[in-house]
Amino acid sequence: AQKITQTQPGMFVQEKEAVTLDCTYDTSDPSYGLFWYKQPSSGEMIFLIYQGSYDQQNATEGRYSLNFQKARKSANLVISASQLGDSAMYFCAMSPFNQGGKLIFGQGTELSVKP
Amino acid sequence: DVKVTQSSRYLVKRTGEKVFLECVQDMDHENMFWYRQDPGLGLRLIYFSYDVKMKEKGDIPEGYSVSREKKERFSLILESASTNQTSMYLCASSLQQDRAFFGQGTRLTVV
Repeated sequence: AQKITQTQPGMFVQEKEAVTLDCTYDTSDPSYGLFWYKQPSSGEMIFLIYQGSYDQQNATEGRYSLNFQKARKSANLVISASQLGDSAMYFCAMSPFNQGGKLIFGQGTELSVKP
Repeated sequence: DVKVTQSSRYLVKRTGEKVFLECVQDMDHENMFWYRQDPGLGLRLIYFSYDVKMKEKGDIPEGYSVSREKKERFSLILESASTNQTSMYLCASSLQQDRAFFGQGTRLTVV
């Protein structure tokens, strides 16, 4: 069975600093996708970044990058130059290959950015 | 702009009522999903559908059913609402190999 673990229930970061949100996963599937979503207090889930299990390079999207270490089964999210608007819940998720919406989620990390 | 719309943001229902949560997407996506979100548990998949009139159970289907009569619409049904179904419900849609797009969520309270 697939499983996602986020071990940081809450984190604080100073504005303009970088922060790493941890995510480890467990699966026996050879092919899978890894996602990060952001959920502000308003409730909507916002897609941030995607990494395929066979992608050789770490994914980047603007200030977001995914530190993918396949052998360690980790997919940490790095946010550079934090902004006040980054304060939100962050969820790591995994899907089987070719089933992009069928997601297993971690418990989430609540990030607070301090001015 | 792509959109997944859920019919209600907040809903209060009584125990034993039949409850319908509606979700509509305008992206012509084949796949649609219903998730439930509870604090400390993340999101859990209730039901999903890969095509019209097709449905499959997710991880926590007990107490729920779904209906997909048209490609753009996916309904979640609570046959007899119970207090342990008080939760945030999120609908999503996707293409086969793409990320999921989520609706704004429905916060359901069963009293």
